[in-house]
Amino acid sequence: GAVVSQHPSWVICKSGTSVKIECRSLDFQATTMFWYRQFPKQSLMLMATSNEGSKATYEQGVEKDKFLINHASLTLSTLTVTSAHPEDSSFYICSAGGGGTNYGYTFGSGTRLTVV
Amino acid sequence: GENVEQHPSTLSVQEGDSAVIKCTYSDSASNYFPWYKQELGKRPQLIIDIRSNVGEKKDQRIAVTLNKTAKHFSLHITETQPEDSAVYFCAASRGSGNTPLVFGKGTRLSVIA
Repeated sequence: GAVVSQHPSWVICKSGTSVKIECRSLDFQATTMFWYRQFPKQSLMLMATSNEGSKATYEQGVEKDKFLINHASLTLSTLTVTSAHPEDSSFYICSAGGGGTNYGYTFGSGTRLTVV
Repeated sequence: GENVEQHPSTLSVQEGDSAVIKCTYSDSASNYFPWYKQELGKRPQLIIDIRSNVGEKKDQRIAVTLNKTAKHFSLHITETQPEDSAVYFCAASRGSGNTPLVFGKGTRLSVIA
């Protein structure tokens, strides 16, 4: 079945540094990638939607200059958290569209980001 | 945009009893309604889904019902077991894989042995 590989699974970084999270669709072409953020004991909140080769669409309240999304190919999308602060600590998870079953929603395994 | 409400936020049941979680949605164009089970620190796992041309779907102990007129859908788990304990999320989308899933706030289900 459809698989999305997400790396790293966890990362600890210092405040002010940047962190890049990668999501790769392994056996299908992900024309659309959705990025979600999940704070402890809360739901998954959509941050942005990216389509291959075009600029990402950000949800209201999500800073596009802070959360840089690149979807340069049909198999790779990246989220870079720039100048990370402790309040950015969260579980980040991608969901690919365009392949697989279930109308194409295939989740990555998530990245636990801790900013110290 | 779509708004999904989910109730209850917590639910405790005795092992063997049934559990019901309810969701409502606002976008009449939504046509895909999945349910996910999420364990701590893991990705959501799809447990069952329903599309707007179907009113009910069952898979062993799990069933989902959809009332498109009222814009609500429900998850039913029968003969609950301790391993059913987790957080469950409902979601809705316009389908096609090119529109995002909008999630409910989640229900923490505890099955007491």
